[in-house]
Amino acid sequence: NAGVTQTPKFQVLKTGQSMTLQCAQDMNHNSMYWYRQDPGMGLRLIYYSASEGTTDKGEVPNGYNVSRLNKREFSLRLESAAPSQTSVYFCASSGSNYGYTFGSGTRLTVV
Amino acid sequence: DAKTTQPPSMDCAEGRAANLPCNHSTISGNEYVYWYRQIHSQGPQYIIHGLKNNETNEMASLIITEDRKSSTLILPHATLRDTAVYYCIVSPQGQDSNYQLIWGAGTKLIIKP
Repeated sequence: NAGVTQTPKFQVLKTGQSMTLQCAQDMNHNSMYWYRQDPGMGLRLIYYSASEGTTDKGEVPNGYNVSRLNKREFSLRLESAAPSQTSVYFCASSGSNYGYTFGSGTRLTVV
Repeated sequence: DAKTTQPPSMDCAEGRAANLPCNHSTISGNEYVYWYRQIHSQGPQYIIHGLKNNETNEMASLIITEDRKSSTLILPHATLRDTAVYYCIVSPQGQDSNYQLIWGAGTKLIIKP
């Protein structure tokens, strides 16, 4: 099915470890986004990419880096994970006036 | 801070119409009203959007007041599968822009048998 695919679905990290969350979309969308969602909260934008080759900071970029590898793929990297980064991470894409398409999320726990 | 205000929770009987209100009193002339829902920690799902006219699709209807300061999402025949958190968001010129969407806490809608 067309949509946004995120990997992995679950991850447990130790404090200080690094990891990369992968996201790919097959809808030929220009824009892609990374959000985090803490329990009982709405989504907060970490980084976004309006088009291939460009990235910009969102509301909560500290501790994260991103790469827009090509039009399909947008990855999020945690260089040195901290317990405060325990959250659910959602990738999304958009290419029209008909709303964002979200992935199913990555549930990350940092111990 | 979110640019919209929604009640934290609502109940609705299965088979009845669910009416979810949203206040956006500071909405600008170029901002659309978007509705999303999130079912049990899944990724949010787009429902509908509008600028100033009422809109309807296969999922829901959106009623926007004439002054555009509030809107109502209507699920005409709610089912148990409509239990979710519903988010109302305002965004200018459609969402394929560099605008940072601000997500509030939404309304938790519980459909009861």
